[in-house]
Amino acid sequence: DAMVIQNPRYQVTQFGKPVTLSCSQTLNHNVMYWYQQKSSQAPKLLFHYYDKDFNNEADTPDNFQSRRPNTSFCFLDIRSPGLGDAAMYLCATSSTYLGDRAPNEQFFGPGTRLTVL
Amino acid sequence: KQEVTQIPAALSVPEGENLVLNCSFTDSAIYNLQWFRQDPGKGLTSLLLIQSSQREQTSGRLNASLDKSSGRSTLYIAASQPGDSATYLCAANTNAGKSTFGDGTTLTVKP
Repeated sequence: DAMVIQNPRYQVTQFGKPVTLSCSQTLNHNVMYWYQQKSSQAPKLLFHYYDKDFNNEADTPDNFQSRRPNTSFCFLDIRSPGLGDAAMYLCATSSTYLGDRAPNEQFFGPGTRLTVL
Repeated sequence: KQEVTQIPAALSVPEGENLVLNCSFTDSAIYNLQWFRQDPGKGLTSLLLIQSSQREQTSGRLNASLDKSSGRSTLYIAASQPGDSATYLCAANTNAGKSTFGDGTTLTVKP
């Protein structure tokens, strides 16, 4: 089945130790998103890739970076995690091509729960 | 700046009851609106997507409506079941791929 995969599902890191979260998709969608979701809150968009074009949200801290080496993969790098960065990180994809059944419908992965010690 | 509000924050109903979840947004210039379900500790599952030119979408026991002019969407769940217990989120999306989510409504359906 076509899907969005996130690895690892659970990640524990130490304060200040860089960490990378990964997302892959078999849907061949051209748009990929990274969201941060804290407990009982709405997912907050960090940035998204529209094809190869990177779009950063104005209030996303510089501590968060992203890479998209190809259509299928997207990475979230947290350069120096703080305690406030502990959250669920959600990856999503969508397609803007009109030929698709549901253009712009977002499909989410299962998330990576990040713990910062 | 788009703001999305979902009321109520929590809802508890007995099994079999029909219910309506509400979503309101401040900027009517949306491309589409999407409803999701989220189980505790899990990702989001897409339920229904309504394009800005549409007024409603149906899938099984779920019906979502959209009124752009008033900035409102509703999710109607018919004959609720305990398995429907989850948090329901709505997201207002622009054609540039930007999404703004509400905080969600946590639904509990009691057997």
